[in-house]
Amino acid sequence: EPEVTQTPSHQVTQMGQEVILRCVPISNHLYFYWYRQILGQKVEFLVSFYNNEISEKSEIFDDQFSVERPDGSNFTLKIRSTKLEDSAMYFCASSEALIKSGELFFGEGSRLTVL
Amino acid sequence: GNSVTQMEGPVTLSEEAFLTINCTYTATGYPSLFWYVQYPGEGLQLLLKATKADDKGSNKGFEATYRKETTSFHLEKGSVQVSDSAVYFCALSPNTGFQKLVFGTGTRLLVSP
Repeated sequence: EPEVTQTPSHQVTQMGQEVILRCVPISNHLYFYWYRQILGQKVEFLVSFYNNEISEKSEIFDDQFSVERPDGSNFTLKIRSTKLEDSAMYFCASSEALIKSGELFFGEGSRLTVL
Repeated sequence: GNSVTQMEGPVTLSEEAFLTINCTYTATGYPSLFWYVQYPGEGLQLLLKATKADDKGSNKGFEATYRKETTSFHLEKGSVQVSDSAVYFCALSPNTGFQKLVFGTGTRLLVSP
C-alpha cells in the first residue's frame, strides 16, 4: 500500500542551526502539507503546497520556515535558525484532492529536539 | 475561530468494553468532521468522516454522528479490542480554506486483555 515516508525519524540539533525535514509523498498526490505537534498540545497546521507553490500557511509559518519540492518526489520543510520552541513532532501529509472530498495520508512524523 | 475539543486521556478499558471518546467543535459554517487514529510507530490514518449534519461515519466497528445541534462528533465502539490501543484525533475541515485540518489534542486509548 502506498505510504508517505519521512526522514529523519528523530533529529537533535543545537539552537540556531538549520534543519531540513524530508518527506516523500504518495506519488500521484497533488497536495502536500506540514503539520506539527508540540508535546502535549494539539496537532497544528503549518502549510499547504500545491502546483509548486504555497497555497495556505498559518501564523506559525514565519520567515524561519520554508518548503520546497526540489525534484518532483521529495517535499522538504526547512527551519532556518531553530529555536527551543520548534521542538515538536513534524508530520508530512499528502492528498489527491482537497480535503472535503479526499483524505489526508500522513507520514510517521519526524521528532525534532532543539537544545 | 475554528477549534476542536476532545476529552483528556488516557482512556483505559478492558477488552470488549464500550468506548466513547467525546469531541466537540466550534466552527463558522458547516465543516467536515474526521476521526484520525495513530497506532504506535505509525502515521495518522483516517478512521472515519462525515461531511454534513446527521451523517454517520463508520469504519472497523467505530461510529461517529455529526450533530450540528450539539456541535459534537463523539467516537463510539461497542466492543473494543487490544488492537484498538492507539491515539485518536478528532479534526474538522472548515467550510472555507478547506485544505487544512484543525485537530484536537488527541486521546490515548489503552485496552487491556
